[in-house]
Amino acid sequence: DAGVTQSPTHLIKTRGQQVTLRCSPKSGHDTVSWYQQALGQGPQFIFQYYEEEERQRGNFPDRFSGHQFPNYSSELNVNALLLGDSALYLCASSLVDEAFFGQGTRLTVV
Amino acid sequence: GQQLNQSPQSMFIQEGEDVSMNCTSSSIFNTWLWYKQDPGEGPVLLIALYKAGELTSNGRLTAQFGITRKDSFLNISASIPSDVGIYFCAGIIQGAQKLVFGQGTRLTINP
Repeated sequence: DAGVTQSPTHLIKTRGQQVTLRCSPKSGHDTVSWYQQALGQGPQFIFQYYEEEERQRGNFPDRFSGHQFPNYSSELNVNALLLGDSALYLCASSLVDEAFFGQGTRLTVV
Repeated sequence: GQQLNQSPQSMFIQEGEDVSMNCTSSSIFNTWLWYKQDPGEGPVLLIALYKAGELTSNGRLTAQFGITRKDSFLNISASIPSDVGIYFCAGIIQGAQKLVFGQGTRLTINP
């Protein structure tokens, strides 16, 4: 049984560009959450998707948007990238409260 | 917003020693989770706690859900080199869907 998978693993983008990150949840999980983890910090909640709708959102600007597909996979889109968006982006899937994380996508904005 | 204060920030111990770390908050949590994160990887779930006062073990790891629902601790007994990493506490507040994370405890073990 594959766990949570994310792609790509690493990405370098230029300031002002747009990026799309992808996540496939653990089998049987219907809820996907996205987190941003800056170096040396704990993950910060971006938003959560359930039944293809954004269920809750953290304190992130509208430049951060997402989508969930009927097969529960999800995308995170970030527009107008800033240098401060450089971080590890983590996807977590869950059925109830126990969230399982993917390996993350390391985004570097130059 | 909700914050979790995790301590200590870092620990340097000898192999075989026991380890204790904790998280506290001014908010009440319905669920506490403990994760371990290795460099370049995502957090791995170690233990989940759902009831105040609950004490749960996973091998050499033991975690407790504080009776006030505002704190939790994690103990690691007889540490081994593969315990090295960053440990995070995370909580879910009633009615919320998101995990709130502590700042992490970096564990270093001298052989």
